[in-house]
Amino acid sequence: DVVVTQSPLSLPVTLGQPASISCRSSQSLVYSDGITYLHWFQQRPGQSPRRLIYTVSNRDSGVPDRFSGSGSGTDFTLKISSVEAEDVGVYYCMQGTHWPLSFGGGTKVEIK
Amino acid sequence: EVQLLESGGGLVQPGGSLKLSCAASGFTFSNYAMSWVRQAPGKGLEWVSTVSGSGGDTYYADSVRGRFTISRDNSKNTLYLQMNSLRAEDTAVYYCANAYGAESWGQGTLVTVSS
Repeated sequence: DVVVTQSPLSLPVTLGQPASISCRSSQSLVYSDGITYLHWFQQRPGQSPRRLIYTVSNRDSGVPDRFSGSGSGTDFTLKISSVEAEDVGVYYCMQGTHWPLSFGGGTKVEIK
Repeated sequence: EVQLLESGGGLVQPGGSLKLSCAASGFTFSNYAMSWVRQAPGKGLEWVSTVSGSGGDTYYADSVRGRFTISRDNSKNTLYLQMNSLRAEDTAVYYCANAYGAESWGQGTLVTVSS
């Protein structure tokens, strides 16, 4: 099974400053069709998860452009260019390439 | 607008059964794979099961295989999760999500397994 590891566990950030979350997988996430099925989700306190980024770097509709995804193979990053108060929550990456599907353990973003 | 509405959660004793439903609207249901993802209290997200758009292909986490059954009724735009032989560690909020990439999520339904 593919193990997905996120770091850091907790990320205190000053408003207006950038933030970066790492996601690493135990196997390459490139599928046989050439697409890498690595997605990012945000879960605000008390809310359901919401997808932000799909297939590494594509923003979902309505997602602010301060969020960006990058990476390849087994190493991926979610970046927030300038953190706002509404960005507080837990962020998860998920691999959709190999069964069983798997999530990273989550990164809690909080304001300093 | 995509809407996913889970129901069927509640309190059940260990060894008991429960059937969750997820009513979908706002998209062509039969064109989308559907998944269940759960979140134990204070914990992270755990993928549980996925069914293809036709219902012909199903996938399960090892932790639930043989106890849970995912199904769908495309005429009713509804996804199901039949949960048998429930254990305390199955206690969680259960979310349904559409597409293999979990594009949209419902609000979740709480399942508590306790005596």
